[in-house]
Amino acid sequence: GAVVSQHPSWVICKSGTSVKIECRSLDFQATTMFWYRQFPKQSLMLMATSNEGSKATYEQGVEKDKFLINHASLTLSTLTVTSAHPEDSSFYICSATGTVTYEQYFGPGTRLTVT
Amino acid sequence: AQSVSQHNHHVILSEAASLELGCNYSYGGTVNLFWYVQYPGQHLQLLLKYFSGDPLVKGIKGFEAEFIKSKFSFNLRKPSVQWSDTAEYFCAVNDAGGTSYGKLTFGQGTILTVHP
Repeated sequence: GAVVSQHPSWVICKSGTSVKIECRSLDFQATTMFWYRQFPKQSLMLMATSNEGSKATYEQGVEKDKFLINHASLTLSTLTVTSAHPEDSSFYICSATGTVTYEQYFGPGTRLTVT
Repeated sequence: AQSVSQHNHHVILSEAASLELGCNYSYGGTVNLFWYVQYPGQHLQLLLKYFSGDPLVKGIKGFEAEFIKSKFSFNLRKPSVQWSDTAEYFCAVNDAGGTSYGKLTFGQGTILTVHP
């Protein structure tokens, strides 16, 4: 149980275009979802927290107009990277929690490459 | 703000050797503590967690960790590693209360390579 999926697993896009990444909880209702970014050989950095039906809360330094997060249902959150640039290339990972908020289940991640 | 420091970036061991990975955190309040593992090509998985009570916690696959509050440490141990323990290990903390409840702060990660 407690499976989180992400789609796509990898994506290549051209600079200036937008990319949407989906995060789904497959067998539980996710009241809260978190989005992380991981640079090569570095740790996961929390980007934002989203609760179903409300606006996401972004961490300091994360541009909310560039990284649009939508958590429209209890099983789906999306991250849209708008007007992507090469510096946005990274590994994006989502996690989800149910009613027990300290128990986070992680998705497999999405590798974004912007050319 | 919280911060987490893992002392070793890369640890190389032979099978059957004992393992200890260091983790220290900086935070003035009450925290929950976690160790996650990421096997090659797979997603992060929870190894063990500490919330309260016995500071020695046991997790999956023979791993354990000890919370020493006075040292702000939560070191991961395993008496005898196996080749299949080759992975990257992350220490993480979150605030046990308040508005940031649930948000994890991760350490830099430690890559463990176990040679057969």
